[in-house]
Amino acid sequence: GQSLEQPSEVTAVEGAIVQINCTYQTSGFYGLSWYQQHDGGAPTFLSYNALDGLEETGRFSSFLSRSDSYGYLLLQELQMKDSASYFCAVRDHGSARQLTFGSGTQLTVLP
Amino acid sequence: GAGVSQSPSNKVTEKGKDVELRCDPISGHTALYWYRQRLGQGLEFLIYFQGNSAPDKSGLPSDRFSAERTGESVSTLTIQRTQQEDSAVYLCASSLEGRLPYEQYFGPGTRLTVT
Repeated sequence: GQSLEQPSEVTAVEGAIVQINCTYQTSGFYGLSWYQQHDGGAPTFLSYNALDGLEETGRFSSFLSRSDSYGYLLLQELQMKDSASYFCAVRDHGSARQLTFGSGTQLTVLP
Repeated sequence: GAGVSQSPSNKVTEKGKDVELRCDPISGHTALYWYRQRLGQGLEFLIYFQGNSAPDKSGLPSDRFSAERTGESVSTLTIQRTQQEDSAVYLCASSLEGRLPYEQYFGPGTRLTVT
């Protein structure tokens, strides 16, 4: 099976940089995704990493180290609207048809 | 439609009643997923449909849960003899399977409350 660990809560101030870590255990890793979910809203896709390294999309970047079974989401120049839950999710060879989601990290951005 | 739609948006039902939740995926998306999200928790996979293949039902928590999908269109999730522990948001997602980055597009969810 698969399991993922991420911090339950992170707090930061506007303009700061925050890193949300995710460690995973899978039987056959395929890729790591990140989703954002605002309160009462639907999850929306942020990024997908299949290979080691950093992927940058605007203020958000996602990193993967396959050898360490570890990834992170980096949010720069934080804005109040970034307050949300962030979920990492893995696809693995055992269940390539679906994602297994972590329990989520609640990010609170303070003024 | 532009996105995944779900109905109803909210459903309150009495314990023991059956409920049916509906999902309309994005047109052309071959894959459809159902998830359950309890308050403050992550997403729990329930069932996956891909084209005309047999669905992956490995996430269904009990035989009270079932789902159907006709071709690559609408799906319904049925919960029979509802229990209070079934109270959650039920999310549907669709995707173009086989296409990177395997992004799933989620609907707004159905909030189910069992009293």
